[in-house]
Amino acid sequence: NAGVMQNPRHLVRRRGQEARLRCSPMKGHSHVYWYRQLPEEGLKFMVYLQKENIIDESGMPKERFSAEFPKEGPSILRIQQVVRGDSAAYFCASSLSGTNTGELFFGEGSRLTVL
Amino acid sequence: DQQVKQNSPSLSVQEGRISILNCDYTNSMFDYFLWYKKYPAEGPTFLISISSIKDKNEDGRFTVFLNKSAKHLSLHIVPSQPGDSAVYFCAAPGGGTSYGKLTFGQGTILTVHP
Repeated sequence: NAGVMQNPRHLVRRRGQEARLRCSPMKGHSHVYWYRQLPEEGLKFMVYLQKENIIDESGMPKERFSAEFPKEGPSILRIQQVVRGDSAAYFCASSLSGTNTGELFFGEGSRLTVL
Repeated sequence: DQQVKQNSPSLSVQEGRISILNCDYTNSMFDYFLWYKKYPAEGPTFLISISSIKDKNEDGRFTVFLNKSAKHLSLHIVPSQPGDSAVYFCAAPGGGTSYGKLTFGQGTILTVHP
């Protein structure tokens, strides 16, 4: 299966700890997007990256959140000093090119629970 | 500011009947719309899309209608099947340099009863 792979699928952290979520895009895809889904809400855009570059991070909280997509390896969404409000499902999506039609391939998500 | 709204949190339909899911938007700059389907514990999967130059797009049992003057779109599923039970999201891309920056509605939970 060459789909978008996310891990871990489930992550439990205590307040103040760090969470790292990983995303391997579909084979050949160099564009990665992170979305967050809070309970009872739709998905909200966080950040758009191409290899080694952040293209649009307008949806990222200003503090504690960062994302990277290195030349080698998966994209990482990092949340420092987690708080209960960070509990959510985090979805990664990828595309072959900078799609202007929004047809993205999503992973199964990483569910973060902050105790 | 909720630019894409799905005002019906849930919809229940009998197998074989039509399911109609609605979506409203406020941003007149949106020129492309998509529907995604999501099963529990899975990621969204693309279902069907429509460009603003069209008012209808059909793919098998799924048809999306766009009414630009009303800023409204709808997804019709005919005939509905139990396997269609899922959460349906409408979405619109931001375009420009923000490729793939989708604005999603809140979703509608569709339940199709056998």
